[in-house]
Amino acid sequence: KNEVEQSPQNLTAQEGEFITINCSYSVGISALHWLQQHPGGGIVSLFMLSSGKKKHGRLIATINIQEKHSSLHITASHPRDSAVYICAVPHYGGATNKLIFGTGTLLAVQP
Amino acid sequence: EAQVTQNPRYLITVTGKKLTVTCSQNMNHEYMSWYRQDPGLGLRQIYYSMNVEVTDKGDVPEGYKVSRKEKRNFPLILESPSPNQTSLYFCASREQGALNQPQHFGDGTRLSIL
Repeated sequence: KNEVEQSPQNLTAQEGEFITINCSYSVGISALHWLQQHPGGGIVSLFMLSSGKKKHGRLIATINIQEKHSSLHITASHPRDSAVYICAVPHYGGATNKLIFGTGTLLAVQP
Repeated sequence: EAQVTQNPRYLITVTGKKLTVTCSQNMNHEYMSWYRQDPGLGLRQIYYSMNVEVTDKGDVPEGYKVSRKEKRNFPLILESPSPNQTSLYFCASREQGALNQPQHFGDGTRLSIL
């Protein structure tokens, strides 16, 4: 079982729809990252959150530490939101600390 | 502007021909790492460096080398590339120990080994 699992793997939506992407993790964490990867490859950091909810424009991220679950919501989706969304959790152990990544959710928003 | 710069962005080459992918960051970050991204597998760490002259293996180091002679640069070296190293590669940097801070990624290098 992967330590970080995302669902769905693929998602197609119509412009304007409300979108939810889920991330579940099995390791204890202090924070969780949401990343966005556009066609063409570049990865940017969207959110880092350790509790509750964060909002940036039409994007909202929530986390429930007890249930080890986070969601990324996109309101009023637009074709420019089409991207791969990746969640990542810190792993503390051994000689180093690192991020463990989910496999990503490919979102396509159609006009 | 805070940046992680990778070069080249795209490379097609042949088995056995040594290549280097460069990575440079302008944020004075101690920690740098290399990842490869393959369909269905997500990002996997190849090597990381916690500071100058300090490097260590990640989860998939076989077939790769790195060096960290200067704080800003962290090149990835494929001494004898093979087709199974065809992948999308990302360099990233962050402050040392700061897993609760945003990670900064390069734009990626798409590597094809024929």
